[in-house]
Amino acid sequence: DAGVTQSPTHLIKTRGQQVTLRCSPKSGHDTVSWYQQALGQGPQFIFQYYEEEERQRGNFPDRFSGHQFPNYSSELNVNALLLGDSALYLCASSLGTGGFFTNYGYTFGSGTRLTVV
Amino acid sequence: AQSVTQLDSQVPVFEEAPVELRCNYSSSVSVYLFWYVQYPNQGLQLLLKYLSGSTLVESINGFEAEFNKSQTSFHLRKPSVHISDTAEYFCAVSANAGGTSYGKLTFGQGTILTVHP
Repeated sequence: DAGVTQSPTHLIKTRGQQVTLRCSPKSGHDTVSWYQQALGQGPQFIFQYYEEEERQRGNFPDRFSGHQFPNYSSELNVNALLLGDSALYLCASSLGTGGFFTNYGYTFGSGTRLTVV
Repeated sequence: AQSVTQLDSQVPVFEEAPVELRCNYSSSVSVYLFWYVQYPNQGLQLLLKYLSGSTLVESINGFEAEFNKSQTSFHLRKPSVHISDTAEYFCAVSANAGGTSYGKLTFGQGTILTVHP
């Protein structure tokens, strides 16, 4: 049973460029959450998608946007990249927004390491 | 809103010694509490969680944590550590099912546990 799959694993972008990161949730999961983990920091919540809609959003600017597809996979888009966007981007999947932690909890992917130069 | 403070950024310890990783949280609503472990170049793995009931929770690999509501703490302990426990540990909190930010994890800054032979 495949867990959460993220692609690519690493990439390097230049300031001002745009980037798209991809996430395939664990089989049977329908909710995807994205987190940003800067070097030496804990992960910070970006947003969560359920039923193809953004359900919750953390304190991130509009340059960060996302999408969820009918097959539950998700993309994270970041426009006008800044040096400070360099981080490990983690995707987590779960089943529904109800019973979130009690029954199923999150499953995290291994992340995409984004370096902005 | 919730916040998490991990009181030690690094904890060095010798193999077979006991260890405690400290975590304090702040929240205006009732919470769920978690400990995650992250090995180098990997995503996050759930170590243990407190949802309700007994305030002492245990993991399958010998870690335990105790929820102390009066001190708003959720310290992680292990009576005898192994080299393989070397990793970064994150304490996290979420509003429980009645909270508006249910489903979103707020993480601490992390504690790097290094076990020396």
